[in-house]
Amino acid sequence: DVKVTQSSRYLVKRTGEKVFLECVQDMDHENMFWYRQDPGLGLRLIYFSYDVKMKEKGDIPEGYSVSREKKERFSLILESASTNQTSMYLCASMGSTDTQYFGPGTRLTVL
Amino acid sequence: GDSVTQMEGPVTLSEEAFLTINCTYTATGYPSLFWYVQYPGEGLQLLLKATKADDKGSNKGFEATYRKETTSFHLEKGSVQVSDSAVYFCALSDRGSNFGNEKLTFGTGTRLTIIP
Repeated sequence: DVKVTQSSRYLVKRTGEKVFLECVQDMDHENMFWYRQDPGLGLRLIYFSYDVKMKEKGDIPEGYSVSREKKERFSLILESASTNQTSMYLCASMGSTDTQYFGPGTRLTVL
Repeated sequence: GDSVTQMEGPVTLSEEAFLTINCTYTATGYPSLFWYVQYPGEGLQLLLKATKADDKGSNKGFEATYRKETTSFHLEKGSVQVSDSAVYFCALSDRGSNFGNEKLTFGTGTRLTIIP
C-alpha cells in the first residue's frame, strides 16, 4: 500500500513565525502536491512538483513556498505565518496513474 | 478553466436509504473523473474513478457513471450504512496536452451523515 505521511497532525504557531510542513511518500512517485482544505471551499492546490527540484504554482501559491530536494519528500513553507493561513493542509503523491494518494493532513492554527 | 460542481450538503439519511450525490463538471480536454472520500480525522482516499465516457466506477457498493452528454458523474449507493458517514469529494483530472502534469480539480465536498 502507498503510504504518505505528514510530520504533524496538529500544529499551533504564532503570527510571523516560519512554518515547515513535511510530507514523505514511500512509493517512488514522481508527482507530489500540497493542498489546503477549508469548509465550503473544498481542496485548493497550493503547489505541486513533478520531479526533484521542480515545482509549479497551483491556484493559491501566495504566502507559501515549497522544497523538493529528494524524491520522497516535499516540504511546504510558510515564510511568515498569518492568521488567514489557519487551515487543514493535505499532501498527496501520484505515480504513473492519475490517482492521488493523500496523507492524513496537518491542522495548522496560526494565532 | 476546469471546474467541478457538486451537491451542497450536509446530507442526512437513515440507514438503508438510497443515496445520490450529484456532480457535474466543465473541462476543456478529456478528463478522468473521481470520487474521493474523507472519513473523520483522516485524509482523502480514492473511492472510485472512471477514465472515459460511459465508464462506470464502483467500489464498496458505490457507483458512478461517466456521462459525457450531461457532463455528470453522480455518486449512488443503494443502501447506505452508518459507516458511510464521511465527506465525499468529486474531482476531475484533465491531462489535456500536459501529460505527466495532471492536477486534480475538486468540488467543495458533501458531508454525509447516516442515522441508525
